[in-house]
Amino acid sequence: DSGVTQTPKHLITATGQRVTLRCSPRSGDLSVYWYQQSLDQGLQFLIQYYNGEERAKGNILERFSAQQFPDLHSELNLSSLELGDSALYFCASSVVLGAPAYEQYFGPGTRLTVT
Amino acid sequence: AQKVTQAQTEISVVEKEDVTLDCVYETRDTTYYLFWYKQPPSGELVFLIRRNSFDEQNEISGRYSWNFQKSTSSFNFTITASQVVDSAVYFCALSEADQAGTALIFGKGTTLSVSS
Repeated sequence: DSGVTQTPKHLITATGQRVTLRCSPRSGDLSVYWYQQSLDQGLQFLIQYYNGEERAKGNILERFSAQQFPDLHSELNLSSLELGDSALYFCASSVVLGAPAYEQYFGPGTRLTVT
Repeated sequence: AQKVTQAQTEISVVEKEDVTLDCVYETRDTTYYLFWYKQPPSGELVFLIRRNSFDEQNEISGRYSWNFQKSTSSFNFTITASQVVDSAVYFCALSEADQAGTALIFGKGTTLSVSS
């Protein structure tokens, strides 16, 4: 158990809909990352938050957005869903204040299926 | 730009064989970190090892060992006496050095199948 939790585990929705994925990082970790894993694109970085602020953006579509709350949990919002958004979405966390730890610990993932 | 290449898409071995998974990386940074993650059939990503760019010492952990060579930009992973439970997809990854942490750049992964 990595200590990172993600809900829901599975999500099935229709095209055009909007969904929210939730992530709770390991206790004390300040950085939260979102990744998308699909068969054709592999594991791709979407976005990173550090202590509530957006820190880096990767290949994140404009239809997707995220935020990190004061209690450090994060949410990834996906809107106007398309079939191609079907993927496994991972959240990861790292960095304990005062003791940088560069390895990222991953949650179990949310499998999104868009029909 | 940073890049990680895992040229082996799939490897099949029989139990007790040794197997090496290759990883070649590209970066312009002088300080960086390399990682290996395991993704078993259940789907989660399990952290295996982190290596700093300034530490080329090889590492051994049980049946696992890692060979880091800056001269060839490689960070290879060897499993000795493979077991069926080693069957998984293995990812090599690279990140910059930053106090706040940076995104991982993953390779495409190598699927290892170990048969009994």
